[in-house]
Parts: sequence; C-alpha cells; structure tokens
Amino acid sequence: SQTIHQWPATLVQPVGSPLSLECTVEGTSNPNLYWYRQAAGRGLQLLFYSVGIGQISSEVPQNLSASRPQDRQFILSSKKLLLSDSGFYLCAWSVRGYEQYFGPGTRLTVT
Amino acid sequence: GESVGLHLPTLSVQEGDNSIINCAYSNSASDYFIWYKQESGKGPQFIIDIRSNMDKRQGQRVTVLLNKTVKHLSLQIAATQPGDSAVYFCAENRGSSGGSNYKLTFGKGTLLTVNP
Repeated sequence: SQTIHQWPATLVQPVGSPLSLECTVEGTSNPNLYWYRQAAGRGLQLLFYSVGIGQISSEVPQNLSASRPQDRQFILSSKKLLLSDSGFYLCAWSVRGYEQYFGPGTRLTVT
Repeated sequence: GESVGLHLPTLSVQEGDNSIINCAYSNSASDYFIWYKQESGKGPQFIIDIRSNMDKRQGQRVTVLLNKTVKHLSLQIAATQPGDSAVYFCAENRGSSGGSNYKLTFGKGTLLTVNP
C-alpha cells in the first residue's frame, strides 16, 4: 500500500531563516506531487505541483520554491522566511486519477 | 471569480442523526468532485468522489449527490457519530485545458460537530 511521509511535523523558525520541508511517497511510481498551504480555519491553497522529476509548476507567486530531485521526493524550500509563511503545509500525491492523498502535514510557525 | 464555496461554515448535529453538508460550485467545466474529511492537526482524508456524468454515489454511511443544473454538491452522512466531527472540504477539478491537469480547487470547509 502507498504511504506518504512529511517531516518535520512541527517547526518554529525565525524570520529571515531558510526552510526545507520534505515529503516522500512509498508504494507507487511516477506520482503527481503537490504542496499546499492551509492557513488557520481556511481551505487549502495549492502552491506547487509536479508531474515528474525536475518538473515543477508554481501556482502562486511567493517566497517559496519546490524541487523534485527523485521520483517520490518533493521538497519545499525558502531562502528567507517571512511571517506570512506561517501555516500548515501539506504534501499530497495522486496517480492515474484526480483523487489526491495527503500526508500528515507540517505546522510551520515563523516568529 | 469562480470558486468552490459552502453554504454553511458550521454544522452541529446530534449523534445518530443524519448530516448533510452542502457545497456550491460555479465552473460548468468541472468534471470531478471530491469530499475530504480533516480532523484537527491532521491532513485531509479522502471520503468519496463523483464524476460529472453521475448524480449520486454511495459509500459506507456516506452519499454524495451532484446536481449539475444548479451546480450543487452535497455530502450526506448517515447515523452521524462523534468520530465524524471534523472539517469537511469539497474540491473540484475544473477540467483540462490542453494536457494533463490533475489539480483540485478546494472550498473553505464546513466544521461538523457531533453532540453525544
């Protein structure tokens, strides 16, 4: 069966510090991968998606970037965090269909 | 702008009652809809989906109804249990405009509270 991992689970970072969040998927090949951000009490905002290694599409202009160095690895990064980058970051995967399956999320607090 | 929206941000029901969570969409080209359940501090969980060529789909204790005429989607939960308490999101795929477009657009969510 497929599983998706995200780490860290929680992170507190100062403004201006770098960020690296990692997502890995097991049990499937060539998945579509997604990064979402969720503000408190709000819906999910799609940040990036990838249909293959090295292929990244950005949905909104922002202070973040994404990379996909391996088939089942998706990384979300920032060189300098802003207060507005705080939120709940979710990684998701899909294959052969529209349904997406989400990881446990990373709670990021920028102070 | 076009969006997936919800009629009610919160819904409170008694244990054992049936729950109905509603969702409106505005994009006629949307061809796929999905409901997710998100418990506090966790990632969303897939509940049930439906394609635009269907009006109804049933799962275990859940039913999704799609009314394309009025662009309305609903999730019905039978015999609601305390464990059903969560935020429920509807999401749509707005169709592909050339090439693969497996993206979902999410609504804001409805908080379902089940009272014992």
